Amino acid sequence: EAGVAQSPRYKIIEKRQSVAFWCNPISGHATLYWYQQILGQGPKLLIQFQNNGVVDDSQLPKDRFSAERLKGVDSTLKIQPAKLEDSAVYLCASSPTGQGYNEQFFGPGTRLTVL
Amino acid sequence: GQQLNQSPQSMFIQEGEDVSMNCTSSSIFNTWLWYKQDPGEGPVLLIALYKAGELTSNGRLTAQFGITRKDSFLNISASIPSDVGIYFCAGRNFGNEKLTFGTGTRLTIIP
Repeated sequence: EAGVAQSPRYKIIEKRQSVAFWCNPISGHATLYWYQQILGQGPKLLIQFQNNGVVDDSQLPKDRFSAERLKGVDSTLKIQPAKLEDSAVYLCASSPTGQGYNEQFFGPGTRLTVL
Repeated sequence: GQQLNQSPQSMFIQEGEDVSMNCTSSSIFNTWLWYKQDPGEGPVLLIALYKAGELTSNGRLTAQFGITRKDSFLNISASIPSDVGIYFCAGRNFGNEKLTFGTGTRLTIIP
């Protein structure tokens, strides 16, 4: 079974530029998450989707970050305009939906450097 | 947002030694999870704990869910080179898929 795919793996941009990340979850997984992982810290949830609806975006800086999952499968996360403090690894995860605990499976992440 | 406190922050050990690390929170969780992250990869789930006081093993790994529900512990016995990486705890509450991660413990094996 293929894992969570993310692209690009690395991105370097200058501050005030825009950037977009793409995620393809595991087939059949209804729930998709975007996390931000700053160097030396654990992942922090930015947004959670169930199918194409937003479940939790309370920690998403909505003035510059946006995310969508239009058809309930792939998702894109966009930053516009980027700031220096946005330098981090952006992780996508997916999980099936059902009763009880549903394990989250993580992709390899996109490492963003903002200069 | 909240991050759970892990200690130690880093460990330098020799191959074959046992390892202990812990995770504490100011609030309770109903589920505790332990993940390992290798360089350039996403976290991978090692152990999940669902009940206060629960002790669960996965090979050389043993984890415990603290009685107060505010802490958890992970032990690795007889460490081997592939144990190198960063270990994260994460807490979760019922009815909510959101994970709150710890600050991480970096494990290094000295040759």
